[in-house]
Amino acid sequence: KNEVEQSPQNLTAQEGEFITINCSYSVGISALHWLQQHPGGGIVSLFMLSSGKKKHGRLIATINIQEKHSSLHITASHPRDSAVYICALPDNYGQNFVFGPGTRLSVLP
Amino acid sequence: DGGITQSPKYLFRKEGQNVTLSCEQNLNHDAMYWYRQDPGQGLRLIYYSQIVNDFQKGDIAEGYSVSREKKESFPLTVTSAQKNPTAFYLCASSSWWGGYNEQFFGPGTRLTVL
Repeated sequence: KNEVEQSPQNLTAQEGEFITINCSYSVGISALHWLQQHPGGGIVSLFMLSSGKKKHGRLIATINIQEKHSSLHITASHPRDSAVYICALPDNYGQNFVFGPGTRLSVLP
Repeated sequence: DGGITQSPKYLFRKEGQNVTLSCEQNLNHDAMYWYRQDPGQGLRLIYYSQIVNDFQKGDIAEGYSVSREKKESFPLTVTSAQKNPTAFYLCASSSWWGGYNEQFFGPGTRLTVL
């Protein structure tokens, strides 16, 4: 089974800081998802990426398929970015998702 | 507005009672999923349905049951056989089944068994 690790587990930043969240996995895949879970519990999909880099506003996601590693960056962080960020990827058979434990981000004003 | 709805947002039940959580989507998606989330843990798959009238067990199906009689609906019943039912339950859907498809999530139901 694909094992997914995220680091750090918890992260506190000051408003405006550049933030990096990491995701590593054990079995090679060709696409990975980044999700955001708001304090109320709802989850939204941020990115699905299979190579290189994707950018959406202040969020940038990168993936290195060979290294089995992905990063999510937030530039000019804001308190509204406070959430749990989860990476998810297909299981060994490409059938269902395997989820990381999440990184809890708090951005202080 | 297209999306997924779950009801209720909070649910309290006495131990030993069955309870059904609702999940409805109007995205015309074939695949639907139920996940359980416990504090500090990743989401775990309970059941999934690739298409109407079909469903499969996920990693932690014991003590749960589902039905998929309509494309837009995928209710989850938490039975009295589930040993630790208190958790946050999330429903999701995707255009079709598979780990390479974006999943859309509902707002979740927080179940507390007293």
